[in-house]
Amino acid sequence: LAKTTQPPSMEAYEGQEVNVSCSHTNIATSEYIYWYRQVPHQGPQFIIQGYKDYVVNEVASLFISADRKLSTLSLPWVSLRDAAVYYCIVTGPNSAGNKLTFGIGTRVLVRP
Amino acid sequence: DAGVTQTPRHEVAEKGQTIILKCEPVSGHNDLFWYRQTKIQGLELLSYFRSKSLMEDGGAFKDRFKAEMLNSSFSTLKIQPTEPKDSAVYLCASSFPRHYAEQFFGPGTRLTVL
Repeated sequence: LAKTTQPPSMEAYEGQEVNVSCSHTNIATSEYIYWYRQVPHQGPQFIIQGYKDYVVNEVASLFISADRKLSTLSLPWVSLRDAAVYYCIVTGPNSAGNKLTFGIGTRVLVRP
Repeated sequence: DAGVTQTPRHEVAEKGQTIILKCEPVSGHNDLFWYRQTKIQGLELLSYFRSKSLMEDGGAFKDRFKAEMLNSSFSTLKIQPTEPKDSAVYLCASSFPRHYAEQFFGPGTRLTVL
């Protein structure tokens, strides 16, 4: 079973808020949720991480459901530069041998 | 601050050649990772070093792929001999051990094997 499930793609117009969901029904107590994004011709870039409730930084917000089985990455006021593949990763100390497993991610298309 | 540096950015090789890709991690990072990215398989881990010690050698990639970390600021990935199916983007990433999940990635090397 995959550790995370995300929609394969989403579309938005510039200036809109984009919410990318991630389901992780088997998340362990010791595990955290990480989000990365990758724009064309670059490596993935870490965006945000969280354990529970709500986390915000200068780039995005992360909402985590009370049972921690669902998280939503929120990108306010997207621009063309936010067009990327967004990856949700669940991992924690000793849960993956200190490795990250990237799924297929969510391709976010931003229209002008 | 310098991020992760990878050279070359592009490499074209004939089938059977030996190629060496290079990576310089972020200064002070003790964990270094090599990944391969293709459209079909996505991102796959090839090798993982902690403080220059090889922790993971990528299983299926063992026979023709060899990663080395000669010092804390330089790593190489050798592919010998290359095959057309090795055409992919090879990414290097580094992190602090306590924050292994917050990895800093380089821009990658796009390898084309003819």
